[in-house]
Amino acid sequence: EVQLVQSGAEVKKPGESLKISCEGSGYSFSNYWIAWVRQMPGKGLEWMGIIYPGDSDTRYSPSFQGQVTISADKSVSTAYLQWSSLKASDTAMFYCARRSREGGYFDYWGQGTLVTVSS
Amino acid sequence: IVLTQSPGTLSLSPGERATLSCRASQSVSSSYLAWHQQKPGQAPRLLIYGASTRATGIPDRFSGSGSGTDFMLTISRLEPEDFAVYYCQHYGSSPLYTFGQGTKLEIK
Repeated sequence: EVQLVQSGAEVKKPGESLKISCEGSGYSFSNYWIAWVRQMPGKGLEWMGIIYPGDSDTRYSPSFQGQVTISADKSVSTAYLQWSSLKASDTAMFYCARRSREGGYFDYWGQGTLVTVSS
Repeated sequence: IVLTQSPGTLSLSPGERATLSCRASQSVSSSYLAWHQQKPGQAPRLLIYGASTRATGIPDRFSGSGSGTDFMLTISRLEPEDFAVYYCQHYGSSPLYTFGQGTKLEIK
């Protein structure tokens, strides 16, 4: 069974750094792209970026380029999303999702990680 | 490419038929059009890919159709568990992945 399990909720202060994770299981983690998707409170889904764990090839949405860093460690089947200096506007739910091999759609989703940034 | 979903909110009763629209700002390949369902407090779930193919385990009351710039998700007879937010998603070139703003399907 394919599963994406994300790290737990975080409460941080503005200016702090953060790294959240997404562990894949039940499939060959190295061979599927993993995307990160933001959902701000009460809003829709926004694609942030995507990584291919096999060679760490990474693409970012222009809206998030330079704002976050996406990485992966295939030895532990885990993808990461990190911030060097959080802002209050980074408060959101973040989902990882596996990209299918066939059509570019996201076929499996993690359960989400809620990040709250507040002073 | 911008995906525009309509209506923003759809109020229907269980047993009724729901038709949700997703319009692309330019023609897209139907191979790269998907629909996701998100229930309150839950992660999204893939419903339809390739514009019309149901994902594994999705009931046949859900169907997708369309081509070019106009795509539809139809739920033939609404069940109580179908009331949720629905997003269309496209895989393109720049940005690589785009979501519509969502349609909220609520109980009338």
